[in-house]
This record gives sequence, C-alpha cells and structure tokens, in this order.
Amino acid sequence: AQSVTQPDIHITVSEGASLELRCNYSYGATPYLFWYVQSPGQGLQLLLKYFSGDTLVQGIKGFEAEFKRSQSSFNLRKPSVHWSDAAEYFCAVGRPSSGNTPLVFGKGTRLSVIA
Amino acid sequence: DAGVTQSPTHLIKTRGQQVTLRCSPKSGHDTVSWYQQALGQGPQFIFQYYEEEERQRGNFPDRFSGHQFPNYSSELNVNALLLGDSALYLCASSFQADEQFFGPGTRLTVL
Repeated sequence: AQSVTQPDIHITVSEGASLELRCNYSYGATPYLFWYVQSPGQGLQLLLKYFSGDTLVQGIKGFEAEFKRSQSSFNLRKPSVHWSDAAEYFCAVGRPSSGNTPLVFGKGTRLSVIA
Repeated sequence: DAGVTQSPTHLIKTRGQQVTLRCSPKSGHDTVSWYQQALGQGPQFIFQYYEEEERQRGNFPDRFSGHQFPNYSSELNVNALLLGDSALYLCASSFQADEQFFGPGTRLTVL
C-alpha cells in the first residue's frame, strides 16, 4: 500500500530564508507525486506535480521539488520565503495505473514565517 | 470560470443524525472525489464518482454513501453520525484521470 511520511510537523523560518520541506513515500514503483498548500479554512491548491521525466519540477509561487528515486523522496524547496507562504503543506502520491486517484496524503507540515 | 464549489460551508449536527454535503465540479470536469480531513491530519480518500457510479472507494464504512447527478454534481451522505465524523470534507473534481481541483470544503461538527 502507498504511504507518505512528512517528518516535520511544524517548521518556523524567517522571512527571506530558504525552505525545504521533506517528504518520503512508500510505493512499489514510481508514483505520481504532488505538493499541495492549504491556507487556514481553505481547500487545497496544487503547487507542483511529478509524473515522469526531469526530476526537478518547478511549480507556482516560486516553489520547486526534486524527485529522488534512490531515497524515495520528493522534497519541496523555496529559495526565499515570503510571509504569505505561511500555511499547511501536504505531500501526496497517486497510482499511475489509476491516474491520480486516489491520492494518499501525508499528515502535513505547518509552516510559520517570522519577521 | 467558477472553480469547485461546496455547500454548506459549515454544518453542526448531533450524534445519530444524517447529513448531506454537496459539490459542484469545475466546468468541464466529469469526475468527483470526496476526501475527509480530520483536524491535524491529511485528507483521506472516501470515494470517487464517474458516470454516475462509484468507481473507487477508500476504507470508509457503508454509513458513507454518495451520488453523482447527470450534470456531474455530487452529494456525500453520512448516516448515523458519530463524534469521529467531525472533519473538513473536501470535494475534488477532474476531467477523468487528470489533475484534481479541490473545493474549499465543508466543516462538519458532530456534537
């Protein structure tokens, strides 16, 4: 069965500092991989996705993620964090055999940004 | 173009009651999936509807049921509510197996 681990429950970074959110997955083959962001009281917004090809994926809002097969990881990065990036971030995997449903999510990492 | 919409925004019920949540998919989408997000957790897949039929189902009891209408909108029904059913219920729509777009969710509180 698929599973996703986000080891960090809560991360605090200073505005302008770099950010890396960790994600490890368990799946028998190469899954579809996603990062979503959720602001308080809101639904989920897709930041980026990996299906195949180039292992470095660019997303919206200046985010990028790198797929590392050998480490079963798909870490999210941003070179310079803005206060508006404070939110909950979820990593998710999907089965290529059934499109991207169902998505299996990690428990999320809450990002706080301080001045 | 309206995105995925859900109603109501918030709902309070008591144990044993039944509830119906509604979802209208993004224009052009024909597939609707429902997820339950408990406090402090990631969303968990409940089921997916395509062509008015349940196509996939997660590990949820039969108290959770759904329906998809000819206009692709969908309902999630939960019977015999338990305290543990309190959660944010998210609807996601897609065109078949393409990218899912999520709605803002319905916050259900069971007292």
